[in-house]
Amino acid sequence: KNQVEQSPQSLIILEGKNCTLQCNYTVSPFSNLRWYKQDTGRGPVSLTIMTFSENTKSNGRYTATLDADTKQSSLHITASQLSDSASYICVVSAVLGAGSYQLTFGKGTKLSVIP
Amino acid sequence: DAGVIQSPRHEVTEMGQEVTLRCKPISGHNSLFWYRQTMMRGLELLIYFNNNVPIDDSGMPEDRFSAKMPNASFSTLKIQPSEPRDSAVYFCASSYRALEGNTIYFGEGSWLTVV
Repeated sequence: KNQVEQSPQSLIILEGKNCTLQCNYTVSPFSNLRWYKQDTGRGPVSLTIMTFSENTKSNGRYTATLDADTKQSSLHITASQLSDSASYICVVSAVLGAGSYQLTFGKGTKLSVIP
Repeated sequence: DAGVIQSPRHEVTEMGQEVTLRCKPISGHNSLFWYRQTMMRGLELLIYFNNNVPIDDSGMPEDRFSAKMPNASFSTLKIQPSEPRDSAVYFCASSYRALEGNTIYFGEGSWLTVV
Protein backbone atom coordinates (compact mmCIF):
# COMPACT_ATOMS: atom_id res chain seq x y z
CA LYS A 1 0.00 0.00 0.00
CA ASN A 2 1.36 3.42 -0.95
CA GLN A 3 2.05 5.51 2.12
CA VAL A 4 3.67 8.82 2.99
CA GLU A 5 4.80 9.41 6.56
CA GLN A 6 5.84 12.81 7.78
CA SER A 7 7.71 13.74 10.93
CA PRO A 8 7.51 15.42 13.27
CA GLN A 9 3.75 15.95 13.50
CA SER A 10 4.35 19.38 14.94
CA LEU A 11 7.32 21.58 15.63
CA ILE A 12 7.91 24.86 17.45
CA ILE A 13 11.04 26.87 16.72
CA LEU A 14 12.35 30.33 17.47
CA GLU A 15 12.38 32.93 14.76
CA GLY A 16 15.67 32.93 12.91
CA LYS A 17 16.45 29.28 13.58
CA ASN A 18 16.69 26.56 10.95
CA CYS A 19 14.59 23.41 10.87
CA THR A 20 14.22 20.23 8.86
CA LEU A 21 11.02 18.34 8.15
CA GLN A 22 11.05 14.70 7.09
CA CYS A 23 9.03 12.68 4.62
CA ASN A 24 9.34 8.91 4.13
CA TYR A 25 7.36 7.16 1.44
CA THR A 26 6.63 3.71 0.11
CA VAL A 27 4.98 4.87 -3.13
CA SER A 28 5.73 2.88 -6.25
CA PRO A 29 6.32 3.34 -9.12
CA PHE A 30 7.64 6.74 -8.13
CA SER A 31 7.03 9.70 -10.41
CA ASN A 32 7.68 12.84 -8.39
CA LEU A 33 7.60 14.30 -4.89
CA ARG A 34 6.10 17.66 -3.99
CA TRP A 35 6.24 19.81 -0.91
CA TYR A 36 3.36 22.16 -0.19
CA LYS A 37 2.92 24.92 2.37
CA GLN A 38 -0.57 25.42 3.74
CA ASP A 39 -1.36 28.49 5.81
CA THR A 40 -4.26 28.18 8.21
CA GLY A 41 -7.53 28.64 6.37
CA ARG A 42 -5.91 28.70 2.94
CA GLY A 43 -5.28 26.25 0.14
CA PRO A 44 -1.90 24.51 -0.19
CA VAL A 45 0.77 26.30 -2.20
CA SER A 46 3.48 24.42 -4.05
CA LEU A 47 7.04 24.89 -2.81
CA THR A 48 9.05 22.32 -4.79
CA ILE A 49 8.60 19.43 -7.18
CA MET A 50 11.32 16.81 -7.61
CA THR A 51 11.55 13.93 -10.03
CA PHE A 52 13.54 10.74 -9.64
CA SER A 53 16.73 12.23 -11.05
CA GLU A 54 16.75 15.32 -8.84
CA ASN A 55 18.18 15.15 -5.34
CA THR A 56 17.89 18.76 -4.28
CA LYS A 57 15.79 21.76 -5.19
CA SER A 58 15.58 25.20 -3.61
CA ASN A 59 12.90 27.84 -3.45
CA GLY A 60 14.23 30.82 -1.54
CA ARG A 61 14.83 29.79 2.06
CA TYR A 62 13.28 26.37 1.40
CA THR A 63 15.49 23.52 0.24
CA ALA A 64 14.10 20.08 -0.47
CA THR A 65 16.21 16.95 -0.81
CA LEU A 66 15.30 13.58 -2.22
CA ASP A 67 16.96 10.22 -1.75
CA ALA A 68 15.12 7.88 -4.11
CA ASP A 69 17.12 4.88 -2.89
CA THR A 70 16.01 5.20 0.72
CA LYS A 71 12.69 6.81 -0.28
CA GLN A 72 13.22 9.78 1.94
CA SER A 73 12.82 13.49 1.44
CA SER A 74 13.48 16.45 3.68
CA LEU A 75 12.47 20.08 3.62
CA HIS A 76 14.98 22.44 5.21
CA ILE A 77 13.92 25.94 6.18
CA THR A 78 16.70 28.42 6.73
CA ALA A 79 16.50 31.49 8.97
CA SER A 80 12.85 30.91 9.81
CA GLN A 81 10.38 33.77 9.83
CA LEU A 82 7.04 34.15 11.58
CA SER A 83 5.35 33.79 8.19
CA ASP A 84 6.75 30.26 7.89
CA SER A 85 4.20 29.14 10.48
CA ALA A 86 2.04 26.73 8.52
CA SER A 87 1.48 23.07 7.75
CA TYR A 88 3.93 21.48 5.33
CA ILE A 89 2.61 18.61 3.29
CA CYS A 90 4.61 16.02 1.37
CA VAL A 91 2.88 14.51 -1.67
CA VAL A 92 4.26 11.63 -3.70
CA SER A 93 3.02 10.74 -7.16
CA ALA A 94 3.00 7.26 -8.70
CA VAL A 95 2.46 6.63 -12.40
CA LEU A 96 -0.12 3.90 -12.90
CA GLY A 97 -0.29 3.99 -16.68
CA ALA A 98 -0.93 6.26 -19.62
CA GLY A 99 -2.71 9.33 -18.34
CA SER A 100 -3.30 7.79 -14.93
CA TYR A 101 -1.45 8.42 -11.74
CA GLN A 102 -1.99 8.36 -8.00
CA LEU A 103 -1.18 11.05 -5.47
CA THR A 104 -0.47 9.99 -1.90
CA PHE A 105 -0.50 12.72 0.73
CA GLY A 106 1.29 12.88 4.02
CA LYS A 107 -0.65 14.23 6.98
CA GLY A 108 1.67 17.19 7.24
CA THR A 109 3.95 18.79 9.79
CA LYS A 110 2.55 21.78 11.63
CA LEU A 111 5.31 24.32 12.11
CA SER A 112 5.02 27.21 14.56
CA VAL A 113 7.66 29.91 14.50
CA ILE A 114 7.64 32.04 17.63
CA PRO A 115 9.36 35.38 18.29
CA ASP B 1 -4.34 35.16 -13.38
CA ALA B 2 -7.27 34.72 -10.99
CA GLY B 3 -6.20 31.29 -9.81
CA VAL B 4 -8.57 28.43 -9.07
CA ILE B 5 -11.92 29.85 -7.99
CA GLN B 6 -14.21 27.96 -5.66
CA SER B 7 -17.68 28.71 -4.39
CA PRO B 8 -19.16 28.91 -1.90
CA ARG B 9 -16.31 29.66 0.51
CA HIS B 10 -18.42 28.65 3.47
CA GLU B 11 -21.61 26.65 3.71
CA VAL B 12 -23.63 25.44 6.65
CA THR B 13 -26.42 23.04 5.84
CA GLU B 14 -28.72 20.64 7.57
CA MET B 15 -28.28 16.90 7.37
CA GLY B 16 -30.11 15.46 4.40
CA GLN B 17 -29.81 18.54 2.23
CA GLU B 18 -28.08 18.58 -1.12
CA VAL B 19 -24.78 20.44 -1.32
CA THR B 20 -23.18 21.61 -4.55
CA LEU B 21 -19.64 22.93 -4.61
CA ARG B 22 -18.34 24.72 -7.67
CA CYS B 23 -14.93 25.18 -9.20
CA LYS B 24 -13.45 27.20 -12.03
CA PRO B 25 -9.95 25.97 -12.88
CA ILE B 26 -7.14 28.12 -14.21
CA SER B 27 -7.60 28.77 -17.90
CA GLY B 28 -5.54 26.42 -20.06
CA HIS B 29 -5.18 23.73 -17.41
CA ASN B 30 -6.28 20.27 -18.48
CA SER B 31 -6.33 18.45 -15.13
CA LEU B 32 -8.79 19.15 -12.34
CA PHE B 33 -8.82 17.62 -8.90
CA TRP B 34 -11.23 17.54 -5.98
CA TYR B 35 -9.79 17.01 -2.50
CA ARG B 36 -11.24 16.79 0.97
CA GLN B 37 -9.34 17.81 4.10
CA THR B 38 -10.15 16.99 7.71
CA MET B 39 -8.09 17.13 10.85
CA MET B 40 -8.25 13.37 11.27
CA ARG B 41 -7.48 12.25 7.73
CA GLY B 42 -5.55 15.15 6.24
CA LEU B 43 -5.86 15.79 2.50
CA GLU B 44 -7.58 13.09 0.47
CA LEU B 45 -7.95 13.01 -3.30
CA LEU B 46 -11.58 12.37 -4.19
CA ILE B 47 -11.50 12.45 -7.98
CA TYR B 48 -9.53 13.90 -10.82
CA PHE B 49 -10.37 14.77 -14.40
CA ASN B 50 -8.09 14.91 -17.40
CA ASN B 51 -9.41 16.87 -20.38
CA ASN B 52 -12.86 16.90 -18.72
CA VAL B 53 -12.95 13.09 -18.41
CA PRO B 54 -12.98 11.48 -14.95
CA ILE B 55 -9.82 9.37 -14.69
CA ASP B 56 -9.88 8.11 -11.12
CA ASP B 57 -12.83 8.41 -8.76
CA SER B 58 -11.68 5.74 -6.33
CA GLY B 59 -11.40 8.35 -3.61
CA MET B 60 -15.08 9.27 -3.73
CA PRO B 61 -16.38 8.03 -0.37
CA GLU B 62 -19.74 6.67 -1.48
CA ASP B 63 -22.63 7.04 -3.85
CA ARG B 64 -23.78 10.19 -2.14
CA PHE B 65 -20.87 11.99 -3.78
CA SER B 66 -20.78 12.82 -7.46
CA ALA B 67 -18.60 15.11 -9.57
CA LYS B 68 -19.03 16.48 -13.06
CA MET B 69 -16.96 18.52 -15.45
CA PRO B 70 -19.22 19.60 -18.31
CA ASN B 71 -16.52 21.77 -19.88
CA ALA B 72 -12.92 22.82 -19.41
CA SER B 73 -13.80 25.81 -17.25
CA PHE B 74 -16.27 24.40 -14.73
CA SER B 75 -16.70 21.50 -12.36
CA THR B 76 -19.10 20.61 -9.57
CA LEU B 77 -18.93 18.30 -6.58
CA LYS B 78 -22.32 17.30 -5.26
CA ILE B 79 -23.25 15.60 -2.01
CA GLN B 80 -26.79 14.24 -1.76
CA PRO B 81 -27.94 13.68 0.92
CA SER B 82 -25.36 15.35 3.13
CA GLU B 83 -24.37 13.94 6.52
CA PRO B 84 -22.52 15.49 9.48
CA ARG B 85 -19.44 13.35 8.73
CA ASP B 86 -19.15 15.16 5.39
CA SER B 87 -18.12 18.31 7.26
CA ALA B 88 -14.69 19.21 5.92
CA VAL B 89 -12.84 21.63 3.68
CA TYR B 90 -13.19 20.71 0.02
CA PHE B 91 -10.43 21.91 -2.27
CA CYS B 92 -10.44 22.09 -6.01
CA ALA B 93 -7.11 22.19 -7.82
CA SER B 94 -5.96 22.37 -11.41
CA SER B 95 -2.81 21.76 -13.38
CA TYR B 96 -1.45 21.59 -16.89
CA ARG B 97 0.00 18.16 -17.59
CA ALA B 98 0.31 17.34 -13.90
CA LEU B 99 1.51 13.86 -14.88
CA GLU B 100 4.78 15.40 -16.03
CA GLY B 101 5.37 17.00 -12.64
CA ASN B 102 3.93 20.44 -13.25
CA THR B 103 2.58 22.47 -10.37
CA ILE B 104 -0.89 21.74 -9.07
CA TYR B 105 -2.63 24.94 -8.01
CA PHE B 106 -5.20 24.83 -5.25
CA GLY B 107 -8.21 27.02 -4.67
CA GLU B 108 -8.94 28.51 -1.27
CA GLY B 109 -11.40 25.76 -0.42
CA SER B 110 -15.08 25.43 0.42
CA TRP B 111 -15.68 25.03 4.14
CA LEU B 112 -18.67 22.74 4.61
CA THR B 113 -20.45 22.19 7.89
CA VAL B 114 -23.35 19.75 8.01
CA VAL B 115 -25.41 19.98 11.19
